[in-house]
Order: sequence, then C-alpha cells, then structure tokens
Amino acid sequence: ELKVEQNPLFLSMQEGKNYTIYCNYSTTSDRLYWYRQDPGKSLESLFVLLSNGAVKQEGRLMASLDTKARLSTLHITAAVHDLSATYFCAVDNVMDSNYQLIWGAGTKLIIKP
Amino acid sequence: GAVVSQHPSWVICKSGTSVKIECRSLDFQATTMFWYRQFPKQSLMLMATSNEGSKATYEQGVEKDKFLINHASLTLSTLTVTSAHPEDSSFYICSASDLAGVFYNEQFFGPGTRLTVL
Repeated sequence: ELKVEQNPLFLSMQEGKNYTIYCNYSTTSDRLYWYRQDPGKSLESLFVLLSNGAVKQEGRLMASLDTKARLSTLHITAAVHDLSATYFCAVDNVMDSNYQLIWGAGTKLIIKP
Repeated sequence: GAVVSQHPSWVICKSGTSVKIECRSLDFQATTMFWYRQFPKQSLMLMATSNEGSKATYEQGVEKDKFLINHASLTLSTLTVTSAHPEDSSFYICSASDLAGVFYNEQFFGPGTRLTVL
C-alpha cells in the first residue's frame, strides 16, 4: 500500500527565513505533485514533478524529486507572509487499473511578519 | 492548466433533504472525475472515481446509496447527497482528468462546495 508522509505537519516561521518541507512516499510512483490550499479554498497546483532529479522553481518556492530516495522537498526561500497556507504533496498510484492520488497529511505553514 | 468549476460554492440545507453538486470541466473533456471530501484541518479523502458513461467506483466506507454520482458527459459529473444529515456537513471538492490524454494523469481541481446540514 502506497503511503505518503509529510513533515513537518505544522511550521511557524519568521519572514525572511528559509525552510524545507519534506514528502516521503513508500513505493515507486511516476509523478509527484505539490499543492497549496488557503483556508476555505480548494487546491492550487504548484508543481508537477515527473522524473528523478526534477527541480522546478516558482518565485520563492522550489520543489525537487529524488525517486531513488522516494523523497520530494519543497523549499521556501526568504519567506513572506503571503506564503502562509497549507501545502500538500500527492503521488500517483495505479492499482487494479484504477488510478488515484495518494495524499500527504499536509503542512500548515504560518509565516509571521 | 485546465479549468474546472463547481456549483454551488456553498449550500445550507435542512436535515433529510437532498443536495446536488455539479462539477464541470470547462475547456477539456474529462474522461475521469474524482470526488473528494475534506474535514477541517485534514487532508483530502477520495470518495469515488467516476468515468464517463459508467458507474462510479466508490472507496471503502463510502455509502454509494447516500452519495450518488453521475458522470453522464465528458464535461459534467454530479454528486447528490441524499437525505443529508449534519454529519454530512463538509467541504466537497471535485477534480477532473483526461487520463492518458494530453494532460496525462494530472487532476484539475474545482473550487469546492461547502455543505452545511442543519
């Protein structure tokens, strides 16, 4: 059974600091996704990581994927208050011809001015 | 990316009534749509997967007679919560995908529907 673990689950940090959110998954998978969710809102797609060594950056966020270690990281550089949100990673899983995403528990990020 | 809409964005209903939520893919044909439920401060929980023109596949523990899913066209899926009760109150999110199509397996999420049952 594919499992996805995120850590930390909660992170409070000061503006201007750097930090990393980790996403581990238990079996091989083709793709890994990062999403952002603001309170009361749906999911916003941040990154789709397709292959080993993939690195994508958008503004102060950078995501990477190491399929051998089954690990993805979401790095925040010089955090700003607007990045406060809950971040989810999710991994593709196909079982018995049924496709679905397996979700991490989410990391609630609070960035204090 | 592709655009998915949901309607209504929020609904308040009395216990015992039924509520229908629509999920539409606006600019692509969605061969598969997914329905999720999210409780406060939790991750998404997949309720069911629906393929256009066939019966939905429900996840373990999800009552198919209570949560009726119809995927009659490549752009529309509906979730009907029948005889709703307060414990059905939740945030319901749909997603759409053209599995193995131009978007491969990527799911595109609707804005969600907040259901409150009094």
